[in-house]
Amino acid sequence: EAGVTQFPSHSVIEKGQTVTLRCDPISGHDNLYWYRRVMGKEIKFLLHFVKESKQDESGMPNNRFLAERTGGTYSTLKVQPAELEDSGVYFCASSAGTGWNQPQHFGDGTRLSIL
Amino acid sequence: DQQVKQNSPSLSVQEGRISILNCDYTNSMFDYFLWYKKYPAEGPTFLISISSIKDKNEDGRFTVFLNKSAKHLSLHIVPSQPGDSAVYFCAAKDRDKIIFGKGTRLHILP
Repeated sequence: EAGVTQFPSHSVIEKGQTVTLRCDPISGHDNLYWYRRVMGKEIKFLLHFVKESKQDESGMPNNRFLAERTGGTYSTLKVQPAELEDSGVYFCASSAGTGWNQPQHFGDGTRLSIL
Repeated sequence: DQQVKQNSPSLSVQEGRISILNCDYTNSMFDYFLWYKKYPAEGPTFLISISSIKDKNEDGRFTVFLNKSAKHLSLHIVPSQPGDSAVYFCAAKDRDKIIFGKGTRLHILP
């Protein structure tokens, strides 16, 4: 079974540009999450999809970030325009459900560098 | 304001000995705790979890202990092996989201 896959693995862009990150969850997982780790800080929750609906987007930092999951399969996270403080590693995770015995499985992340 | 705290950034343990990683939390409403392991350039991998109604959960070489009154949990690895060298994240489940600590880097010495 393929795990959570994220693309690209690394992106370097200039301040003010736009970047789109993609996440393919484990097949059959309705729940998809985005997290990010900024340098020196802990991994922090951004938002949670159940199928194509946003269940919880309380962690999204501001309106420069837009997450979508059309069709309830893969998800994209767009940052527009990118700022220096957006640099970090963006992780995607998926789970079959939200119960205690259904852990979230993480992808390897996209390392985003804003110059 | 950190709700899950791992106060030791790093820990070195001799191969074959016991590794003990500690974690404290502040929110008494958390009812489920997890440990994740992370290698460089990879995502966190789920290791073991414990419900707040239990005080111990064991899976092979890994045991997690929970002390609710002290709001403290620990992960024991026995015996420690070279492949255990990684960053370990303590985490708590808050409804649908996971709240992570900053991690402890474990070095297993030969």
